[in-house]
Amino acid sequence: VQLVDSGGGLVKPGGSLRLSCAASGLTFSHHNMAWIRQGPGKGLEWVAYISFGSSTTYYAESVQGRFTVSRDNARNSLYLQMNTLTVDDTAVYYCATATGYGLFRYFDYWGQGTPVTVSS
Amino acid sequence: DIQLTQSPSSLSASVGDRVTITCRASQSIGTYLNWYQQKPGQAPKFLIYAASSLQSGVPSRFSGSGSGTEFTLTINSVQPEDFATYYCQQSSSVPPFTFGPGTKVDVK
Repeated sequence: VQLVDSGGGLVKPGGSLRLSCAASGLTFSHHNMAWIRQGPGKGLEWVAYISFGSSTTYYAESVQGRFTVSRDNARNSLYLQMNTLTVDDTAVYYCATATGYGLFRYFDYWGQGTPVTVSS
Repeated sequence: DIQLTQSPSSLSASVGDRVTITCRASQSIGTYLNWYQQKPGQAPKFLIYAASSLQSGVPSRFSGSGSGTEFTLTINSVQPEDFATYYCQQSSSVPPFTFGPGTKVDVK
């Protein structure tokens, strides 16, 4: 399994950015997915979740209404559209598979991360 | 939302030591608790799910236990490659998928 994150960069406050995650080595359309971020020197923060068929999405309160998670199963790709960015969104963003059953859900495969810096 | 705390926030150990990290939940989460390891500059690595089940390929010196509100991650005979930061994560009540603040294990 390989997840390759891309699309990060430097953006001004109020700006937008779209992250991508390219998946290989797995049947992508069978996997729920998530985005998780880590601010500089900070811990892990879950950001967004999308079910395998896109019918269910969840967002952290800190990004609700500004970020949109989506996927293209035909392209084996996951996306995170980030709008109205603030300095608090500065972090390394990781995509991850969200595996499990029932309430047993965990993030078993991770991308290498893509850094996002929000600064004027 | 369920909050997770970890103790200690950091600890120093020597190779061969037994290390125990505690994760506490703000309310009962059954055994819906997972553990991850992260080394500097790397993505996290998934270690343990359902409080005590080892992910395939994870060395048997790692073990997890607990239920309800208190959980432990134990490393028996810590090895040089085990010096890292460890995070717990709950899935009992989502969203959000909460992570603990992390415990850094470094060399004494």
